[in-house]
Amino acid sequence: DVKVTQSSRYLVKRTGEKVFLECVQDMDHENMFWYRQDPGLGLRLIYFSYDVKMKEKGDIPEGYSVSREKKERFSLILESASTNQTSMYLCASSLPRTIKETQYFGPGTRLLVL
Amino acid sequence: DAKTTQPTSMDCAEGRAANLPCNHSTISGNEYVYWYRQIHSQGPQYIIHGLKNNETNEMASLIITEDRKSSTLILPHATLRDTAVYYCIVRDIYGGSQGNLIFGKGTKLSVKP
Repeated sequence: DVKVTQSSRYLVKRTGEKVFLECVQDMDHENMFWYRQDPGLGLRLIYFSYDVKMKEKGDIPEGYSVSREKKERFSLILESASTNQTSMYLCASSLPRTIKETQYFGPGTRLLVL
Repeated sequence: DAKTTQPTSMDCAEGRAANLPCNHSTISGNEYVYWYRQIHSQGPQYIIHGLKNNETNEMASLIITEDRKSSTLILPHATLRDTAVYYCIVRDIYGGSQGNLIFGKGTKLSVKP
């Protein structure tokens, strides 16, 4: 079974702090994704990566950056956390784009910025 | 924006079939229909996908109308553990960023004893 793990289930940070959210997948997937999920807004794509050291902006990249130094690890960085970044953050991975591509999600990190 | 329309919520009796509809009237020829679900406090889980033929796997069946403008996800014998938000997504797997998953608001399915 594909396993996608996220470093924390719950995180509390203060405004202005630098925050790192880590995601690791164990199935040698090329593609990795970061989403945030907010009530009434559904899942929104922040950044994605199709290969090591590659990254592309999703729908809401402002205030975030990412790092993909190794194939199995995709990090989301909040350079200076703000209260409007309080959210559930979900990481996903998948094989390269094919008909059978499906995304496998981690359990999520619930971030609270005070 | 999501290209699909789903009812906000549905109820289903335990042991009965749950039929979840989805409208995608603007679907194009290259777009597949995918279904995911999200159980409370967990990440989304892939269920099934299809292009134009009906599909079945161990979790569910997917019925796509001949004109492809709508589809129905069928859970044949719903259990309490099937209570979740179900997302219907259309995506062009060959279309660059258009191939990314765009989650709408989904249907909240409540399976009741």
